[in-house]
Amino acid sequence: KAGVTQTPRYLIKTRGQQVTLSCSPISGHRSVSWYQQTPGQGLQFLFEYFSETQRNKGNFPGRFSGRQFSNSRSEMNVSTLELGDSALYLCASSRDRGSYEQYFGPGTRLTVT
Amino acid sequence: LAKTTQPISMDSYEGQEVNITCSHNNIATNDYITWYQQFPSQGPRFIIQGYKTKVTNEVASLFIPADRKSSTLSLPRVSLSDTAVYYCLVGDTGFQKLVFGTGTRLLVSP
Repeated sequence: KAGVTQTPRYLIKTRGQQVTLSCSPISGHRSVSWYQQTPGQGLQFLFEYFSETQRNKGNFPGRFSGRQFSNSRSEMNVSTLELGDSALYLCASSRDRGSYEQYFGPGTRLTVT
Repeated sequence: LAKTTQPISMDSYEGQEVNITCSHNNIATNDYITWYQQFPSQGPRFIIQGYKTKVTNEVASLFIPADRKSSTLSLPRVSLSDTAVYYCLVGDTGFQKLVFGTGTRLLVSP
C-alpha cells in the first residue's frame, strides 16, 4: 500500500508570496492533519480535516489555511509568507478521526527568503 | 492531554537493548500511550501503542506498569539505523491534536 505523499518536496519562496502544498493520504484513510516542524518550536499541529471539513485548528494565524477534497486529498495554503514560515511541513493521515496511529508523509521543506 | 517527560538524550552501542522511559503522572483513564520515531528531515513514524501491561510488535515492546504513570519503550538489539528521536504521546481517542514534546534523541554507536 502506498504511503502518504506530499508535493512538492522542496520549495523556495520570497517574503510576501503565497504557497500551496499538497498531500495525498494512504488509500482508505479519511483524516488528514498538518504539522509544522522547526528547530526552535518542534512539531506543532496546524489543522485536521475529516470528510472535507476542518475539525481542529492549532494556534496559527489566519494566513495558514487548508482544505480537503472528496477523495481525502488535502492542500494547505500559506499567504503573505514571512521568513519565520520557513519549516518542514508534514502531512499525516489516519483511518478515522481521533486516532493516535497516524502515518506521516516525507514533508515539504519550505524556505522563505 | 497528559504531559509527558522523557530524557533528552541517550547513548547506546550496536547490539544492545535500549529502554526509553516516559513519565506521564496525570494520565487519564481512557488515555493510550503511543510512541513515534523520527529521522532527520523525515516525518515521524508510528512505532507502537498500548493501554496497559505489555505490547510487542516486530519493532519494539512497550511496558506499562499497573499505575500507568510511566511507560518504557524497549528496542531490542539496536543498530546504527535506530539513531533517531523518539517521542512519547499520551491521550485518548477523540483527541484534539497530537502534541509532540521534545522527545529523546537516541544515538547508537558502533
